[in-house]
Amino acid sequence: QVQLQQSGAELVKPGSSVKISCKASGYTFTSYDMHWIKQQPGNGLEWIGWIYPGNGNTKYNQKFNGKATLTADKSSSTAYMQLSSLTSEDSAVYFCARGEAAFDYWGQGVMVTVSS
Amino acid sequence: EIVLTQSPTTIAASPGEKVTITCRASSSVSYMYWYQQKSGASPKLWIYDTSKLASGVPNRFSGSGSGTSYSLTINTMETEDAATYYCQQWSSTPPTFGGGTKLELK
Repeated sequence: QVQLQQSGAELVKPGSSVKISCKASGYTFTSYDMHWIKQQPGNGLEWIGWIYPGNGNTKYNQKFNGKATLTADKSSSTAYMQLSSLTSEDSAVYFCARGEAAFDYWGQGVMVTVSS
Repeated sequence: EIVLTQSPTTIAASPGEKVTITCRASSSVSYMYWYQQKSGASPKLWIYDTSKLASGVPNRFSGSGSGTSYSLTINTMETEDAATYYCQQWSSTPPTFGGGTKLELK
């Protein structure tokens, strides 16, 4: 069965960076786009971007250009998202999700808290 | 980007009641997707391609619409349906989500 297992919660300082992971199993990792989606407490969902692990191609929501960097390691079937220059506005739960037009499988989410 | 506006923001329904959630798009979209999210959990794909139920979704749910107006309907509310529902489009990039409709049990 398809599973997306994300890394654990992060508490990070303002101005720093964080890298979170999403390990895929149960399907061919290189054949599907992997997306990253942000959810702030009480807020809705915001698409950050996708990576196609087969060739490393990426596409970002303009809002997250310079904030998020997506990478993938085919050997371990793991996708990564690095968030840089963190501020309180980056405190949120971040999901990875597989999909094309719809997001059919989601990771459990990673809570990132930015606090001094 | 296309803005999706859901209504109502919150709704309370009794078991057996019919529930309809609406999603309006700022520009025409070809398909709408719906997700169910329960507290503390990840969203689950619930309806895709406007009207197709995802695997395991009870057939009391249905989706319809076209252009700029779409809806999710629950024919008879059950306790397990209490959750937040989000619509989503990807007719244009970036894909966007509605603000969510919280469905509570009355």
